[in-house]
Amino acid sequence: SQKIEQNSEALNIQEGKTATLTCNYTNYSPAYLQWYRQDPGRGPVFLLLIRENEKEKRKERLKVTFDTTLKQSLFHITASQPADSATYLCALGGVTGGGNKLTFGTGTQLKVEL
Amino acid sequence: ETGVTQTPRHLVMGMTNKKSLKCEQHLGHNAMYWYKQSAKKPLELMFVYSLEERVENNSVPSRFSPECPNSSHLFLHLHTLQPEDSALYLCASSQDPDRGFEKLFFGSGTQLSVL
Repeated sequence: SQKIEQNSEALNIQEGKTATLTCNYTNYSPAYLQWYRQDPGRGPVFLLLIRENEKEKRKERLKVTFDTTLKQSLFHITASQPADSATYLCALGGVTGGGNKLTFGTGTQLKVEL
Repeated sequence: ETGVTQTPRHLVMGMTNKKSLKCEQHLGHNAMYWYKQSAKKPLELMFVYSLEERVENNSVPSRFSPECPNSSHLFLHLHTLQPEDSALYLCASSQDPDRGFEKLFFGSGTQLSVL
């Protein structure tokens, strides 16, 4: 069966360091992958999209990689700040007949400490 | 603000009650979605509407009844819910559900508790 795995344990890092979150998937051939940020009691907010033919995407302090051979995406936040503390969700798209059918992972909680 | 507004933010209801969740988007999008988010579980897609027509219904129990009167408004009517239906219900919109590669814009959700 199709499965998306994100580290269920919270990731604690020190301010200024680079946070790296992992999204692994099995039994999928996604056309694209998206990352969202979710704060407590709020809806997810879109951050980045990367397509299957792209290896890397950057936006300010954010970087996403997509390895379709390893079936893995890595999400990096450089120079992390306490304000980056949130839950980060990966979502795979285009897996069932095309269209915008996104399948989400459970998310990884990031805590950036002073 | 994401341009998607959900009301109410919090709702407590008994199992015999009938209530409705409301969602409104101000983005001019053609597609609207209902998702359910339970603790420690991934977002579950419940319903998709494209141009006011329901295009997806993911085996959701009939005690959840969606309504989309126009492309800007979406409702989720609730009746005779169970305690396990307690969750955060999220509404989202996108420009076109069939185009692909599109991001979703989410509302803040309704935190529902069924007693």
